[in-house]
Amino acid sequence: NAGVMQNPRHLVRRRGQEARLRCSPMKGHSHVYWYRQLPEEGLKFMVYLQKENIIDESGMPKERFSAEFPKEGPSILRIQQVVRGDSAAYFCASSPSESYEQYFGPGTRLTVT
Amino acid sequence: GDSVTQMEGPVTLSEEAFLTINCTYTATGYPSLFWYVQYPGEGLQLLLKATKADDKGSNKGFEATYRKETTSFHLEKGSVQVSDSAVYFCALSDRSGNKLVFGAGTILRVKS
Repeated sequence: NAGVMQNPRHLVRRRGQEARLRCSPMKGHSHVYWYRQLPEEGLKFMVYLQKENIIDESGMPKERFSAEFPKEGPSILRIQQVVRGDSAAYFCASSPSESYEQYFGPGTRLTVT
Repeated sequence: GDSVTQMEGPVTLSEEAFLTINCTYTATGYPSLFWYVQYPGEGLQLLLKATKADDKGSNKGFEATYRKETTSFHLEKGSVQVSDSAVYFCALSDRSGNKLVFGAGTILRVKS
């Protein structure tokens, strides 16, 4: 059973460009979570999604950031008009149901130049 | 809001030394508690967990006991190895059970 997959593993963007991060949950998992890890810090919750629904986006910045988890295909975290402060590792986790153990992917390391 | 506080690192130990990484939490109700480990360049792996007071989680020689009275979940290992060198994160699940709140992480370096 493949684990949570994220791609790309590394992404370099210039200021003002868009970044798209993809997350494929484990087989049978319909709940996806996104976390951000800034340098030298712990992970911070961003958003929790189920198929076609955003359940909790309390950790998402108000502007430029959006997330989706369509009926088919991976979950996407989209950052528009990136700035240097967006440079971080973005981790996706999945679970088979709510209030259950979360399994993490390897992360996408975003560098904004 | 909920929060997790871990001891600052880095923690540097010799092989076979005893390890303790302190973790305390603030939360409404009785959250589940977790320790995750992150090896260089990799994602987080669940190391152990405890879901209620006095539960002891254990895995790969690591242990942690859920202490409600002291709101703590300290990580211990009797004899560390070089391969244990990593970043260790303490975390709790919030009241909804859908969001993990992490501590800042503790870097562990084990020398041979």
